[in-house]
Amino acid sequence: AQSVTQLDSHVSVSEGTPVLLRCNYSSSYSPSLFWYVQHPNKGLQLLLKYTSAATLVKGINGFEAEFKKSETSFHLTKPSAHMSDAAEYFCVHGSGNTGKLIFGQGTTLQVKP
Amino acid sequence: GAGVSQSPRYKVAKRGQDVALRCDPISGHVSLFWYQQALGQGPEFLTYFQNEAQLDKSGLPSDRFFAERPEGSVSTLKIQRTQQEDSAVYLCASSLVQGISYGYTFGSGTRLTVV
Repeated sequence: AQSVTQLDSHVSVSEGTPVLLRCNYSSSYSPSLFWYVQHPNKGLQLLLKYTSAATLVKGINGFEAEFKKSETSFHLTKPSAHMSDAAEYFCVHGSGNTGKLIFGQGTTLQVKP
Repeated sequence: GAGVSQSPRYKVAKRGQDVALRCDPISGHVSLFWYQQALGQGPEFLTYFQNEAQLDKSGLPSDRFFAERPEGSVSTLKIQRTQQEDSAVYLCASSLVQGISYGYTFGSGTRLTVV
């Protein structure tokens, strides 16, 4: 069965420093993977998606993620954190033909001034 | 509409009360999903519709939960005899066609608190 594991429940960085949010996946076939962001009291927003094209995926707001099959990882990065990046981030695995999504537990990103 | 609209935004129910949560998907979107997000957790799949057909309801936690989409657009999630463990944010999402590669648009959710 497909699953995702977010390795950190909470990450704290200083403004202007790099961000790394880690995600490992489990899948018996080539997965579809996503990162979503959730700001307080707002809907989930798609940051980026991997669907077996390029392994380095660029998303919105300067985020990118690299699909590494050998490590079964899909870590999210950003070179320089902004205060507005503070939010909850979810690594997500797409499941089957219906499009059902399997969410990780989430990582809370704190950005300190 | 421009996005997925959910109502009400907040609902407080007394234990044992029935509630109905509404989702207005983007016009023309074929697929519609409901997810439940407990406090501090990631969303969990409840049920899926393709047009008016409910193709997957494997995530509904009990027979107190019921969802419908009779005309293939608006959907209602109904919870009967609410319990405290039903307290969560209920998210609706829609997509233009079936299949994960097209992505979803999520609504802002309904926060249900059972007291």
